[in-house]
Amino acid sequence: DGGITQSPKYLFRKEGQNVTLSCEQNLNHDAMYWYRQDPGQGLRLIYYSQIVNDFQKGDIAEGYSVSREKKESFPLTVTSAQKNPTAFYLCASSKIKLGGTGVQPQHFGDGTRLSIL
Amino acid sequence: QKEVEQDPGPLSVPEGAIVSLNCTYSNSAFQYFMWYRQYSRKGPELLMYTYSSGNKEDGRFTAQVDKSSKYISLFIRDSQPSDSATYLCASWKAAGNKLTFGGGTRVLVKP
Repeated sequence: DGGITQSPKYLFRKEGQNVTLSCEQNLNHDAMYWYRQDPGQGLRLIYYSQIVNDFQKGDIAEGYSVSREKKESFPLTVTSAQKNPTAFYLCASSKIKLGGTGVQPQHFGDGTRLSIL
Repeated sequence: QKEVEQDPGPLSVPEGAIVSLNCTYSNSAFQYFMWYRQYSRKGPELLMYTYSSGNKEDGRFTAQVDKSSKYISLFIRDSQPSDSATYLCASWKAAGNKLTFGGGTRVLVKP
């Protein structure tokens, strides 16, 4: 079945530690996204990528880093600079419409819950 | 002010009732409007999306957009306990190709 796989499901970070969240998709989508979800708040965009080896900052990129070496994979690193990392992290992907106009719906994985030890 | 606003709920209804969910948005550049359903500890699942003002129906779900008042609605007919979830509205604009989400409304359908 095609879909988006995020791992691990739960992750614990110690003070001063960097942790990496995995996101893999087999939908052949060009675009991938990382969101953060806090209780009672909507999803906030961290980073997104529309093509391999290229990515852009979203609204809350500080303290996070990403890479896009393969079309299928878009890992997110939560660095020690992110002082409030406890949240639910969601990865999404979408097609990119030819000509760049019009929306292509985003499809989500089942998230990684990150907590501080 | 957030660009997309939703009442957080919870909204509690008896089984079989109509669930009515609403969002308001402030940015006239938004062109598409989406509704996602999110079960606890799961990722959001796209229910439907619309472009123009008016109604769009899909089974028990009807999405309504009024661009003149910047108001988005989702109606769920004949609600079931399995409809209990958080519903997120989202708006999309071409600049930046990004979605902006509301905070979500939690819905409880009681048997």
